[in-house]
Amino acid sequence: AQSVTQLGSHVSVSEGALVLLRCNYSSSVPPYLFWYVQYPNQGLQLLLKYTSAATLVKGINGFEAEFKKSETSFHLTKPSAHMSDAAEYFCAVRSSNYGQNFVFGPGTRLSVLP
Amino acid sequence: GAVVSQHPSRVICKSGTSVKIECRSLDFQATTMFWYRQFPKQSLMLMATSNEGSKATYEQGVEKDKFLINHASLTLSTLTVTSAHPEDSSFYICSALTNIAGSYNEQFFGPGTRLTVL
Repeated sequence: AQSVTQLGSHVSVSEGALVLLRCNYSSSVPPYLFWYVQYPNQGLQLLLKYTSAATLVKGINGFEAEFKKSETSFHLTKPSAHMSDAAEYFCAVRSSNYGQNFVFGPGTRLSVLP
Repeated sequence: GAVVSQHPSRVICKSGTSVKIECRSLDFQATTMFWYRQFPKQSLMLMATSNEGSKATYEQGVEKDKFLINHASLTLSTLTVTSAHPEDSSFYICSALTNIAGSYNEQFFGPGTRLTVL
């Protein structure tokens, strides 16, 4: 079984400040891990993914995440927040073998203050 | 890159009517597609796995007679919400899995369909 937790349903940062969105997972098999962003009334946009290659993954819009197996974490970071980063962020896990559907975390709403 | 479309993007219907939502993989074949449901301010929950040429696999608690899934071709899966009621109002998102044997298969999401049942 797989599950995802995201600490903090709502995170607020000032424009230009560091963004840190936390994600922890549990999986009985080597996981694939993903971060998606969702703007209001829109679908999901893939930010980045980990599929067992490099543990530090760089994505779009300046985001990156590091896979830490020992901590079962895949936290998302961005050095400097921009107003356009305000959105809902979902961490998701997917099995590397059977049943390749996503299990999504509950989401974290990011607010960026001017 | 691969594109998945959904139609319609938004639908409003009266209670008791049925609504069909289409999910298409535009430039790749997908033997497997997934249907998710998202309530306001909540996460996505898997409803069912749609397999081309066979019956869909529904998650626990999802009524298969309520949410009919048909995956008749390698590029099209449909979700029909039968006898819709206001509690069925939600955002429905599909995804399609590429089909390359023995390798990591990418999964692409559609833009979603907003269903409002009056």
